[in-house]
Amino acid sequence: EAGVTQFPSHSVIEKGQTVTLRCDPISGHDNLYWYRRVMGKEIKFLLHFVKESKQDESGMPNNRFLAERTGGTYSTLKVQPAELEDSGVYFCASSQIPGLAGGSNEQFFGPGTRLTVL
Amino acid sequence: GEDVEQSLFLSVREGDSSVINCTYTDSSSTYLYWYKQEPGAGLQLLTYIFSNMDMKQDQRLTVLLNKKDKHLSLRIADTQTGDSAIYFCAETLYSSASKIIFGSGTRLSIRP
Repeated sequence: EAGVTQFPSHSVIEKGQTVTLRCDPISGHDNLYWYRRVMGKEIKFLLHFVKESKQDESGMPNNRFLAERTGGTYSTLKVQPAELEDSGVYFCASSQIPGLAGGSNEQFFGPGTRLTVL
Repeated sequence: GEDVEQSLFLSVREGDSSVINCTYTDSSSTYLYWYKQEPGAGLQLLTYIFSNMDMKQDQRLTVLLNKKDKHLSLRIADTQTGDSAIYFCAETLYSSASKIIFGSGTRLSIRP
Protein backbone atom coordinates (compact mmCIF):
# COMPACT_ATOMS: atom_id res chain seq x y z
CA GLU A 1 0.00 0.00 0.00
CA ALA A 2 1.42 3.41 -0.98
CA GLY A 3 2.03 5.87 1.80
CA VAL A 4 1.35 9.58 1.90
CA THR A 5 3.12 11.31 -0.96
CA GLN A 6 4.02 14.95 -1.33
CA PHE A 7 5.14 16.98 -4.30
CA PRO A 8 7.53 18.60 -4.83
CA SER A 9 10.15 17.36 -2.41
CA HIS A 10 11.95 20.70 -2.62
CA SER A 11 10.93 24.13 -3.86
CA VAL A 12 13.04 27.26 -4.05
CA ILE A 13 11.22 30.47 -4.90
CA GLU A 14 11.72 34.18 -4.53
CA LYS A 15 9.86 36.36 -2.10
CA GLY A 16 6.58 37.48 -3.60
CA GLN A 17 6.14 34.43 -5.82
CA THR A 18 3.45 31.79 -5.51
CA VAL A 19 4.02 28.15 -4.64
CA THR A 20 1.57 25.25 -4.56
CA LEU A 21 2.32 22.13 -2.57
CA ARG A 22 0.46 18.91 -3.17
CA CYS A 23 -0.36 16.01 -0.88
CA ASP A 24 -1.82 12.64 -1.85
CA PRO A 25 -3.11 10.81 1.21
CA ILE A 26 -3.31 7.08 1.65
CA SER A 27 -6.19 5.76 -0.39
CA GLY A 28 -9.39 5.61 1.64
CA HIS A 29 -8.25 8.03 4.31
CA ASP A 30 -10.90 10.71 4.79
CA ASN A 31 -8.76 12.77 7.15
CA LEU A 32 -5.93 14.89 5.85
CA TYR A 33 -3.70 17.21 7.88
CA TRP A 34 -1.10 19.83 7.09
CA TYR A 35 1.77 20.68 9.45
CA ARG A 36 4.93 22.70 9.04
CA ARG A 37 8.32 22.95 10.69
CA VAL A 38 9.93 26.36 10.42
CA MET A 39 13.64 27.03 11.04
CA GLY A 40 14.24 23.78 12.92
CA LYS A 41 11.61 24.61 15.50
CA GLU A 42 8.61 22.57 16.56
CA ILE A 43 6.27 21.05 14.01
CA LYS A 44 3.07 23.06 14.05
CA PHE A 45 -0.43 22.03 13.02
CA LEU A 46 -1.93 24.04 10.18
CA LEU A 47 -5.27 22.46 9.38
CA HIS A 48 -7.38 19.33 9.19
CA PHE A 49 -9.71 18.22 6.39
CA VAL A 50 -12.44 15.64 6.69
CA LYS A 51 -13.07 14.68 3.10
CA GLU A 52 -13.36 18.05 1.34
CA SER A 53 -14.40 20.06 4.40
CA LYS A 54 -12.08 22.02 6.65
CA GLN A 55 -12.63 20.63 10.12
CA ASP A 56 -10.05 22.77 11.91
CA GLU A 57 -7.99 25.53 10.34
CA SER A 58 -6.90 27.15 13.56
CA GLY A 59 -3.21 26.78 12.72
CA MET A 60 -3.21 28.61 9.39
CA PRO A 61 -0.86 31.55 9.91
CA ASN A 62 -2.53 34.15 7.70
CA ASN A 63 -4.57 34.67 4.56
CA ARG A 64 -1.55 34.15 2.30
CA PHE A 65 -2.10 30.43 2.84
CA LEU A 66 -4.91 28.64 1.06
CA ALA A 67 -5.61 24.94 1.44
CA GLU A 68 -8.02 23.02 -0.73
CA ARG A 69 -9.17 19.45 -1.06
CA THR A 70 -11.58 19.34 -3.94
CA GLY A 71 -13.28 15.97 -4.27
CA GLY A 72 -11.91 14.83 -0.95
CA THR A 73 -8.84 13.15 -2.41
CA TYR A 74 -5.58 15.03 -2.78
CA SER A 75 -4.98 18.41 -1.20
CA THR A 76 -3.06 21.50 -2.22
CA LEU A 77 -1.56 24.20 -0.06
CA LYS A 78 -0.90 27.46 -1.87
CA VAL A 79 1.25 30.25 -0.49
CA GLN A 80 0.67 33.55 -2.24
CA PRO A 81 2.69 35.74 -2.03
CA ALA A 82 5.48 33.85 -0.29
CA GLU A 83 7.51 35.59 2.40
CA LEU A 84 10.93 34.74 3.83
CA GLU A 85 9.42 33.43 7.08
CA ASP A 86 7.42 30.82 5.15
CA SER A 87 10.59 28.80 4.57
CA GLY A 88 10.46 25.42 6.24
CA VAL A 89 9.29 21.86 5.78
CA TYR A 90 5.60 21.28 5.12
CA PHE A 91 4.28 17.89 6.16
CA CYS A 92 1.06 16.25 5.20
CA ALA A 93 -0.55 13.39 7.09
CA SER A 94 -3.65 11.28 6.69
CA SER A 95 -5.70 8.99 8.87
CA GLN A 96 -8.75 6.78 8.58
CA ILE A 97 -10.46 8.01 11.70
CA PRO A 98 -9.87 11.43 13.21
CA GLY A 99 -8.57 11.75 16.69
CA LEU A 100 -6.07 9.93 18.73
CA ALA A 101 -3.00 8.50 17.10
CA GLY A 102 -2.72 4.83 17.80
CA GLY A 103 -4.04 1.79 16.01
CA SER A 104 -6.35 2.72 13.18
CA ASN A 105 -6.40 6.34 14.31
CA GLU A 106 -2.73 6.84 13.54
CA GLN A 107 -1.77 9.80 11.42
CA PHE A 108 0.61 8.67 8.70
CA PHE A 109 3.04 11.32 7.56
CA GLY A 110 4.52 12.06 4.18
CA PRO A 111 8.20 12.93 3.65
CA GLY A 112 7.48 16.65 3.55
CA THR A 113 8.16 19.45 1.08
CA ARG A 114 11.12 21.66 1.89
CA LEU A 115 10.26 25.21 0.88
CA THR A 116 12.96 27.86 0.63
CA VAL A 117 11.95 31.46 0.03
CA LEU A 118 14.82 33.73 -1.03
CA GLY B 1 -0.87 26.91 26.99
CA GLU B 2 0.22 24.20 24.63
CA ASP B 3 3.95 23.74 24.82
CA VAL B 4 6.21 20.74 24.39
CA GLU B 5 9.90 21.21 25.16
CA GLN B 6 12.86 18.96 24.48
CA SER B 7 16.61 19.36 24.20
CA LEU B 8 17.98 19.81 20.69
CA PHE B 9 20.89 17.38 20.64
CA LEU B 10 22.01 14.11 22.21
CA SER B 11 25.18 12.16 21.45
CA VAL B 12 25.48 8.56 22.59
CA ARG B 13 28.08 5.85 22.16
CA GLU B 14 26.99 2.84 20.13
CA GLY B 15 25.72 0.09 22.41
CA ASP B 16 24.85 2.45 25.26
CA SER B 17 21.32 3.48 26.20
CA SER B 18 19.89 6.75 24.93
CA VAL B 19 17.45 8.73 27.03
CA ILE B 20 15.55 11.54 25.38
CA ASN B 21 13.55 13.79 27.67
CA CYS B 22 10.52 15.98 27.08
CA THR B 23 8.35 18.26 29.18
CA TYR B 24 4.87 19.50 28.38
CA THR B 25 2.67 22.14 29.91
CA ASP B 26 -0.94 21.11 29.30
CA SER B 27 -2.32 18.68 31.86
CA SER B 28 -5.23 17.67 29.65
CA SER B 29 -3.14 15.40 27.45
CA THR B 30 -4.82 12.26 26.17
CA TYR B 31 -1.93 10.52 24.46
CA LEU B 32 1.78 11.29 24.35
CA TYR B 33 3.94 10.13 21.48
CA TRP B 34 7.42 9.68 20.21
CA TYR B 35 7.98 10.14 16.48
CA LYS B 36 11.20 9.41 14.59
CA GLN B 37 12.36 11.23 11.48
CA GLU B 38 15.22 9.79 9.50
CA PRO B 39 16.96 11.91 6.84
CA GLY B 40 14.75 12.41 3.79
CA ALA B 41 11.87 10.49 5.33
CA GLY B 42 8.58 11.41 6.91
CA LEU B 43 7.65 11.18 10.54
CA GLN B 44 7.28 7.64 11.80
CA LEU B 45 5.25 6.92 14.91
CA LEU B 46 7.61 4.99 17.19
CA THR B 47 5.43 4.51 20.21
CA TYR B 48 2.74 6.20 22.26
CA ILE B 49 1.40 6.09 25.77
CA PHE B 50 -2.03 6.85 27.15
CA SER B 51 -1.97 9.61 29.73
CA ASN B 52 -3.14 7.38 32.58
CA MET B 53 -0.19 5.02 32.16
CA ASP B 54 3.24 5.35 33.78
CA MET B 55 5.31 3.16 31.57
CA LYS B 56 5.26 1.33 28.28
CA GLN B 57 7.89 -1.05 26.97
CA ASP B 58 8.24 -2.19 23.39
CA GLN B 59 11.38 -4.19 22.58
CA ARG B 60 14.31 -1.76 22.91
CA LEU B 61 12.05 1.19 23.66
CA THR B 62 10.84 2.22 27.11
CA VAL B 63 8.55 5.20 27.61
CA LEU B 64 8.19 6.71 31.08
CA LEU B 65 5.49 9.23 31.92
CA ASN B 66 5.48 11.34 35.08
CA LYS B 67 2.18 13.17 35.02
CA LYS B 68 2.87 15.11 38.19
CA ASP B 69 6.00 16.67 36.69
CA LYS B 70 4.62 16.63 33.12
CA HIS B 71 7.72 14.77 32.00
CA LEU B 72 8.00 12.14 29.28
CA SER B 73 11.10 10.18 28.38
CA LEU B 74 12.14 7.70 25.74
CA ARG B 75 14.86 5.21 26.49
CA ILE B 76 16.47 3.30 23.63
CA ALA B 77 18.47 0.32 24.85
CA ASP B 78 21.58 -0.86 23.00
CA THR B 79 21.62 2.16 20.69
CA GLN B 80 22.63 1.35 17.11
CA THR B 81 23.76 3.51 14.20
CA GLY B 82 20.33 3.03 12.64
CA ASP B 83 18.83 4.90 15.57
CA SER B 84 20.40 8.14 14.34
CA ALA B 85 17.48 10.44 13.65
CA ILE B 86 15.46 13.33 15.01
CA TYR B 87 13.03 12.27 17.74
CA PHE B 88 9.92 14.35 18.30
CA CYS B 89 7.92 14.32 21.48
CA ALA B 90 4.24 15.08 20.92
CA GLU B 91 0.84 15.10 22.57
CA THR B 92 -2.84 15.36 21.80
CA LEU B 93 -5.34 17.03 24.09
CA TYR B 94 -8.91 16.24 25.08
CA SER B 95 -9.99 19.57 23.62
CA SER B 96 -8.60 18.86 20.16
CA ALA B 97 -7.93 15.18 19.75
CA SER B 98 -6.93 15.20 16.09
CA LYS B 99 -4.34 17.97 16.36
CA ILE B 100 -0.88 16.73 17.30
CA ILE B 101 1.29 19.18 19.26
CA PHE B 102 4.97 18.57 18.66
CA GLY B 103 8.19 19.57 20.34
CA SER B 104 11.19 20.89 18.41
CA GLY B 105 12.84 17.51 18.08
CA THR B 106 16.02 16.00 19.55
CA ARG B 107 18.73 15.05 17.11
CA LEU B 108 20.32 11.79 18.27
CA SER B 109 23.79 11.07 16.96
CA ILE B 110 25.65 7.84 17.58
CA ARG B 111 29.42 7.75 18.00
CA PRO B 112 31.48 4.58 17.64
